[in-house]
Amino acid sequence: KNEVEQSPQNLTAQEGEFITINCSYSVGISALHWLQQHPGGGIVSLFMLSSGKKKHGRLIATINIQEKHSSLHITASHPRDSAVYICAVGGGLQGAQKLVFGQGTRLTINP
Amino acid sequence: EPEVTQTPSHQVTQMGQEVILRCVPISNHLYFYWYRQILGQKVEFLVSFYNNEISEKSEIFDDQFSVERPDGSNFTLKIRSTKLEDSAMYFCASSSDRENTQYFGPGTRLTVL
Repeated sequence: KNEVEQSPQNLTAQEGEFITINCSYSVGISALHWLQQHPGGGIVSLFMLSSGKKKHGRLIATINIQEKHSSLHITASHPRDSAVYICAVGGGLQGAQKLVFGQGTRLTINP
Repeated sequence: EPEVTQTPSHQVTQMGQEVILRCVPISNHLYFYWYRQILGQKVEFLVSFYNNEISEKSEIFDDQFSVERPDGSNFTLKIRSTKLEDSAMYFCASSSDRENTQYFGPGTRLTVL
């Protein structure tokens, strides 16, 4: 059973700051997902990665497979980045791939 | 842009009643999922579905739950005899391939009284 741990659980920062959220998992995986959950509850997929690094706008995600660790970075943070960021790892049997979720990091960016 | 839709957005029911949560996945997707999130807790996997059958189900997904893809577009989660602890946000997701991004619907908030 894969355990997914995120840190920090809560993060408050000022607009413009560089943000890092960390994720560790216990068992080898096929892919790691970073998701954003808005205050209304909706979930949006930000990244799926199995190695290296991906960048989309001000967001960067990295993964170290050997260390079973991933980070999500936000550059030049903005109040609209305020949300819960969730790390999830893919696994499971043949067929559809289930996700195992971390507990989320609640990010608040103050103007 | 294609999106996953879910209905209703909010369902209130009495304990012991049956509810059906409906999802319309993205049209060319082949893999379907139900997850749930109890208020204040992490998102949990319930069941995955591929090729018209369940691929995997969690220990939460007991005989009280069932899934169907009745008409090639809808994907439903039925909860028989709801309990208070079934109150949660239920998310449907779909993906085009096992290894691809899962797209989530907006969720159905189920409240069991």
